[in-house]
Amino acid sequence: NAGVTQTPKFQVLKTGQSMTLQCAQDMNHEYMSWYRQDPGMGLRLIHYSVGAGITDQGEVPNGYNVSRSTTEDFPLRLLSAAPSQTSVYFCASSSLGTTTEAFFGQGTRLTVV
Amino acid sequence: KQEVTQIPAALSVPEGENLVLNCSFTDSAIYNLQWFRQDPGKGLTSLLLIQSSQREQTSGRLNASLDKSSGRSTLYIAASQPGDSATYLCAALPHDYKLSFGAGTTVTVRA
Repeated sequence: NAGVTQTPKFQVLKTGQSMTLQCAQDMNHEYMSWYRQDPGMGLRLIHYSVGAGITDQGEVPNGYNVSRSTTEDFPLRLLSAAPSQTSVYFCASSSLGTTTEAFFGQGTRLTVV
Repeated sequence: KQEVTQIPAALSVPEGENLVLNCSFTDSAIYNLQWFRQDPGKGLTSLLLIQSSQREQTSGRLNASLDKSSGRSTLYIAASQPGDSATYLCAALPHDYKLSFGAGTTVTVRA
């Protein structure tokens, strides 16, 4: 029963490097999203998708790209890492509907030096 | 935009005391409200989900209530234990599915 799987769990990047955080879900959920969690700021929405081929920006999208080529996968790309992107990143998925529930991955702790 | 507030930000109680954690939200047009637990350096564990049509939900020592009209939810934890020490987050799901989180209440239960 995998649920939402994120990789890697930890990552250290140098400023200017690019990388992709992976997220996969096996529940056939239409809705997927990425959040970042910073001390004192709570979780903030970066990007989201309501289905394959459809993505949109959340509250803090700058410096990040996403794509959704399949229902299962929703990768988050950091184009040119900056120290301000040091954070813990969470991927979530849920079905669309009035009785839905959000499921979260275990998070990726990213440090940009 | 949905705003979610959790008060207090931190709480310290002796073992055995009941815990009351508060969550308020500004937009009552929600599908549900979800309570999560987060241990230091770990992910989010879903505790309780209350649908918008429900008034409360219970799981073991945990009980969560929802009053949509006043924009409030309360999480009660009965007979607290040191293992209940964690940060508790509430999240409101509006009709656009953009889950909005509170900043959390950090609970310490002293043995």
